[in-house]
Amino acid sequence: NAGVTQTPKFQVLKTGQSMTLQCAQDMNHNSMYWYRQDPGMGLRLIYYSASEGTTDKGEVPNGYNVSRLNKREFSLRLESAAPSQTSVYFCASSEAGRGGSPLHFGNGTRLTVT
Amino acid sequence: LAKTTQPISMDSYEGQEVNITCSHNNIATNDYITWYQQFPSQGPRFIIQGYKTKVTNEVASLFIPADRKSSTLSLPRVSLSDTAVYYCLVYRFKTIFGAGTRLFVKA
Repeated sequence: NAGVTQTPKFQVLKTGQSMTLQCAQDMNHNSMYWYRQDPGMGLRLIYYSASEGTTDKGEVPNGYNVSRLNKREFSLRLESAAPSQTSVYFCASSEAGRGGSPLHFGNGTRLTVT
Repeated sequence: LAKTTQPISMDSYEGQEVNITCSHNNIATNDYITWYQQFPSQGPRFIIQGYKTKVTNEVASLFIPADRKSSTLSLPRVSLSDTAVYYCLVYRFKTIFGAGTRLFVKA
């Protein structure tokens, strides 16, 4: 049982380049999330998807777009990367977006923007 | 959105019990309290969740007083491998994490 799988694990981009971070879960969860974590800091919510077909902004959505491709997959796109987006990105899923449904996290994508 | 306050860091020794308290003064009726553990270079991992009173599982206990404005995560007999960051969340739809508590367990 893979849980939440993120690809790639590492990525280096130059300023202005674009890329898509992929996330897939095999737990049949309804809700999915994207977080970023800067060194020594807590996690900040970028976007979330309560269910297939819906997405909503979190704390720090600027510079990002998301797509809930289907129930399993939730991608995060950086259209024009900036050094301030250097971070570790975590995808998570939960059975339902309400109390009583813990989050399950992937192992992260480490992104460096030069 | 419900916000939480935790100590920034704590030190302990192997074999001791560690209690980490989280304040969540504006918790709402439907909110659950959830704790996560994060090791370096890994995503957070769910530890325990509760709504009121006391919850216990194989790794921790969670104590929640009647007013639910705070909660305490209790780790019995910690080991070096419990050195990690611990996050308290008051569950809302947008699941906001705070800065967490860095626990350092010494030999």
